[in-house]
Amino acid sequence: SAVISQKPSRDICQRGTSLTIQCQVDSQVTMMFWYRQQPGQSLTLIATANQGSEATYESGFVIDKFPISRPNLTFSTLTVSNMSPEDSSIYLCSVATGFYEQYFGPGTRLTVT
Amino acid sequence: QQQVKQSPQSLIVQKGGISIINCAYENTAFDYFPWYQQFPGKGPALLIAIRPDVSEKKEGRFTISFNKSAKQFSLHIMDSQPGDSATYFCAARQRSNTGNQFYFGTGTSLTVIP
Repeated sequence: SAVISQKPSRDICQRGTSLTIQCQVDSQVTMMFWYRQQPGQSLTLIATANQGSEATYESGFVIDKFPISRPNLTFSTLTVSNMSPEDSSIYLCSVATGFYEQYFGPGTRLTVT
Repeated sequence: QQQVKQSPQSLIVQKGGISIINCAYENTAFDYFPWYQQFPGKGPALLIAIRPDVSEKKEGRFTISFNKSAKQFSLHIMDSQPGDSATYFCAARQRSNTGNQFYFGTGTSLTVIP
């Protein structure tokens, strides 16, 4: 398994500002993922971040809006840029370990006013 | 297009009863099917998972039944307890050149009544 921590756990931000979310894993992992989850909804993959390569973004998500860094095998950041109220959501970091398993962090609850 | 279809959206079960959540898929490239449990304010936690070469996997009160020909799999929670009240997501994995891609169902909100 993997233990994942995220910072901040929650934040309230003003429209037009940016927030960087940090994700720390207790072991080295190749694959990290960033998801968005609206309250009461399913998980939507934003991007896959593999160390040593550019992040791969899903349809509807762009690097200018959600830049991702992956400087090493235990850490990643997701920035939500130029925020609007529509960006209010829970942002989840996830890692894939071994051959199959995927584990999630506790999430960052973002509210944009 | 929803790659993994999950039902029901919500479920209410009496304590001690059996909770059953169903998922269906079309993509035969999926090779791993996990279930996640999520409590309010927490991230999803891996609960139990199955590979398509077996038809059933049991861990304590939780059982996955897998029907490869029908492309369906389900989660059974035996002797359901109030502490099982949570949202459950099924998922499916597809391997790709860039790694693993996971697709999630829409979730089932389970309430177990004491």
